Amino acid sequence: EVQLVESGGGLVKPGGSLRLSCAATGFTFSNAWMSWVRQAPGKGLEWVGRIKSKTDGGTTDYAAPVKGRFTISRDDSKNTLYLQMNSLKTEDTAVYYCTTVQGYTYASQWGQGTMVTVSS
Amino acid sequence: YVLTQPPSVSVAPGKTARITCGGNNIGSKSVHWYQQKPGQAPVLVIYYDSDRPSGIPERFSGSNSGDTATLTISRVEAGDEADYYCQVWDSSSDVVFGGGTKLTVL
Repeated sequence: EVQLVESGGGLVKPGGSLRLSCAATGFTFSNAWMSWVRQAPGKGLEWVGRIKSKTDGGTTDYAAPVKGRFTISRDDSKNTLYLQMNSLKTEDTAVYYCTTVQGYTYASQWGQGTMVTVSS
Repeated sequence: YVLTQPPSVSVAPGKTARITCGGNNIGSKSVHWYQQKPGQAPVLVIYYDSDRPSGIPERFSGSNSGDTATLTISRVEAGDEADYYCQVWDSSSDVVFGGGTKLTVL
């Protein structure tokens, strides 16, 4: 059974940094493309970015609002996905979900999410 | 690329619910649908326009043509009450989600 467990969320001041983790089990993590999707309180889903498997180049893509501030990485030896968030803004307040990516285009499995609050 | 969904759809139990997702020539793209119940993570219910993941009831189906994709839920049950999101991949915008539709079972 695929399990994705996010952690690392919390309260951070504007301009601060936070690193989220997503521990993956139940599938061959090293072969998987992974992504982060967020959801602001009471709002819809917003794609944050993805990372390809190393065999597919290991490259990353980001949504415009986070490009240059957020970095997605992976440690295949630990079956863990990361989201490093720098220069945080109040509008980054959201639940952050990690997902597996299938067919390049859709999120097949989702974690339970971790809440990030950016506030002074 | 913009996906437009109605904010809400209401349906009586046992009837058919149709949730639309509008986009410019969306019929040329693959559309995926997610269900999100209150306080829970989203769940994939339809991928590649009309395919169902294992464990998703046959009551859920999808279609996509022209400028509109549709998620159809037949014989609606109280447990289907949720927010539903469509999503596509676009060569310019990458991953795009619709604004979501709240399905209310009367």
